[in-house]
Amino acid sequence: GENVEQHPSTLSVQEGDSAVIKCTYSDSASNYFPWYKQELGKGPQLIIDIRSNVGEKKDQRIAVTLNKTAKHFSLHITETQPEDSAVYFCAAREGYSSASKIIFGSGTRLSIRP
Amino acid sequence: GAVVSQHPSRVICKSGTSVKIECRSLDFQATTMFWYRQFPKKSLMLMATSNEGSKATYEQGVEKDKFLINHASLTLSTLTVTSAHPEDSSFYICSAGAYRGRDRNEQFFGPGTRLTVL
Repeated sequence: GENVEQHPSTLSVQEGDSAVIKCTYSDSASNYFPWYKQELGKGPQLIIDIRSNVGEKKDQRIAVTLNKTAKHFSLHITETQPEDSAVYFCAAREGYSSASKIIFGSGTRLSIRP
Repeated sequence: GAVVSQHPSRVICKSGTSVKIECRSLDFQATTMFWYRQFPKKSLMLMATSNEGSKATYEQGVEKDKFLINHASLTLSTLTVTSAHPEDSSFYICSAGAYRGRDRNEQFFGPGTRLTVL
């Protein structure tokens, strides 16, 4: 089955700087890669996703890159703000259907220093 | 749109009792819902896939008789933790799959239910 690895487990950056979180996946059949933000005591919220036929996607301060050959994908947050502090999870899904199960990475606790 | 609710948000129960957690898709229909378990400072572990009108599919290592799942309608799935013990204490999160249009098949997550078994 799919295995998703995520690094680093914790990340502290100065407000205004960029943060990068990296993930790898094992199953070449996976073709959808969402990123979630989870705040304390809440469920995960989708912040951006990318499909395997795209190499990069950007949404304001958030961007995601995908290297399908190397099975790597990364989240980039620029101009970080205090409200970006949270736990971020990468994930992988086999198939484009919403009925396909999503496998999560181990999470990255991002702290933004004022 | 695409809101998923869970009830209750928190529950404390005595060891040996059963607890039911509801997951509802409020503004869309979901033929498939998923149940996850999350320990403190850990990732989400998929427990089972719940399909409307059929039996749930459990992940390896998850006891189906311990965690009963019912998906009776397109907007409701329930997870019942039977004969709960302290080791069942955890944060339980559900998600529902939604077709959002061309090339947009997403899962939306509920706010979670924190179960504490005394």
